[in-house]
Parts: sequence; C-alpha cells; structure tokens
Amino acid sequence: NAGVTQTPKFRVLKTGQSMTLLCAQDMNHEYMYWYRQDPGMGLRLIHYSVGEGTTAKGEVPDGYNVSRLKKQNFLLGLESAAPSQTSVYFCASSYRLVQYFGPGTRLTVT
Amino acid sequence: KNEVEQSPQNLTAQEGEFITINCSYSVGISALHWLQQHPGGGIVSLFMLSSGKKKHGRLIATINIQEKHSSLHITASHPRDSAVYICAPETSGSRLTFGEGTQLTVNP
Repeated sequence: NAGVTQTPKFRVLKTGQSMTLLCAQDMNHEYMYWYRQDPGMGLRLIHYSVGEGTTAKGEVPDGYNVSRLKKQNFLLGLESAAPSQTSVYFCASSYRLVQYFGPGTRLTVT
Repeated sequence: KNEVEQSPQNLTAQEGEFITINCSYSVGISALHWLQQHPGGGIVSLFMLSSGKKKHGRLIATINIQEKHSSLHITASHPRDSAVYICAPETSGSRLTFGEGTQLTVNP
C-alpha cells in the first residue's frame, strides 16, 4: 500500500495563478483533511471531508476550495494564489481516530 | 492564549537521558494525539489516548483529563529520537487542534 500520497511535492506559483493539489489514499478511509504548516505555528485545518461527496470548512478555509468526488482522492484548489498562501501543505486520512499523513507539498507564491 | 500549549519549545538532551514533553490544553476533548515530525518533514502518529497511560517501546504517553494535561516521555533517549513532537487534542468530528511542537535534539 502506498498510504497517503500528495502531488506535487514542490511548486512555485506567481501571485494570481491557480493550481490544484492532489491527495490520494489507498486505505479506504472515510475521513480526509487538508492542513497547512507555517513557521512558529501549529498545523491548521483548511478543509476536511467525512466521506465521498462531502466537504466542510476548517479553521483557515479562505482562498481555498476542495472537492471529494472519489473516496480515495481529496483535491485542494487555489483559485488565485497569494503570497500569504506560501506554506507546506499536508493531507491526511483517518481510520478509528488515527490520522495518516502524506509527505507534504511545499508551495511558494511569489 | 493558544488552545494548546507545549513545553518546552526546544529541548536538547544527551543520549540515554529521560525526556518529558508537556502539553496543556483548554478545549474539551474526546482524545489526544501525539505526533512525531521527522527532520525530513514526514508526520507520523505515535499515540492516541483518552485516559490513563499508553506505552510503545521507549515511549510513554499519559493524560489527565481533569487537569487537561498530557505528557510524552522518552526513556533511554537516542539520537534517532531527534524530531519535533506535536500534541494534538481531538475535538468533536475527528478534528485536531495542534500545538506548535517541541523540537527535540538528542546528542550522542
């Protein structure tokens, strides 16, 4: 099993560009999450999903959209990137309350 | 005031020392997680506990729900234990609130 994978691993965007981060899990987990990690701060929840076709806002949802069309995939979209969205993004899925994290995507917005 | 406070923020130890990392939280929780973030950035779950104590190898986690406090102990520390340790109380709906983490460095 690959566990939780994220694509891409690194990306540099210019202000105003759009992109989609892909999270995939092969563990048949219902719950999936998108977090961002910034220096000096703990991980913060952007959006999450409790099952296929459902999504909900987390702590810092502004500027992001998500979709969960298939159970194994959770997509995070940035419609118009801003420098404040420079961060490391982690995806996770959970089963029986244990969260399994992807390797992260380092995004820089210039 | 943050909902989750970890102490210390940074900790340097010599190989073999007993290490304690503390976590205090102000939110109501259903469980508390301890995570480890490796120097390369990967995050793994170490423990999930809702009461008492759990042990896995040289790692021990305890929680006192009434006092809203949890501790992570590492016995006989080793340089490979060097990492960031993150406390994450779980609120309703399987949502976690994360502490800023404790950077542990174990010197040989």
